[in-house]
Amino acid sequence: GAGVSQSPSNKVTEKGKDVELRCDPISGHTALYWYRQSLGQGLEFLIYFQGNSAPDKSGLPSDRFSAERTGGSVSTLTIQRTQQEDSAVYLCASSPGQSQETQYFGPGTRLLVL
Amino acid sequence: GNSVTQMEGPVTLSEEAFLTINCTYTATGYPSLFWYVQYPGEGLQLLLKATKADDKGSNKGFEATYRKETTSFHLEKGSVQVSDSAVYFCALRVGNQGGKLIFGQGTELSVKP
Repeated sequence: GAGVSQSPSNKVTEKGKDVELRCDPISGHTALYWYRQSLGQGLEFLIYFQGNSAPDKSGLPSDRFSAERTGGSVSTLTIQRTQQEDSAVYLCASSPGQSQETQYFGPGTRLLVL
Repeated sequence: GNSVTQMEGPVTLSEEAFLTINCTYTATGYPSLFWYVQYPGEGLQLLLKATKADDKGSNKGFEATYRKETTSFHLEKGSVQVSDSAVYFCALRVGNQGGKLIFGQGTELSVKP
């Protein structure tokens, strides 16, 4: 079946603009995670959804970052007033639901802020 | 807090050489441990995992043993192939924290023919 998909695959934006990144999890997966992969910080957790709720937002780096999930499926990560340090690969993962289950990762969105 | 430290790369080996990538962790509670692999141009894939002390995870000729006494989860393979060239990430997950993964910095492996 289809894996986790993310769009766009690449995004170039100017500093100060807002961007939206989309994640389509594997059908039926109730848990969804966002991570960020950058040269300076490695792979870092951003936010976790169980259904449409986000019980753990502890990794969001600032209030410019927000995320939502609708219908227990698609999730959008929004970055407002982008900064150059936001440049990174944003990864989405989903799992069937229980915290002990394997997370399946999407290919990522590569964001470059000029 | 929870953290993962793995050996820095890049690691360059000849085909059929023995591979070890060291990984140590700090965790509150009882973590599950993972190795993920990222092949060039591809997404992260789970390579193997272990959920309790003394468990051994294995896949594709790779092995790692969960050592609680040394807080380690070193990745090994007896004979690497060119196709094993990738970035390897050690990670932990603490069950009472919603399942988020905490990753090490990644180790790039390059295998030469």
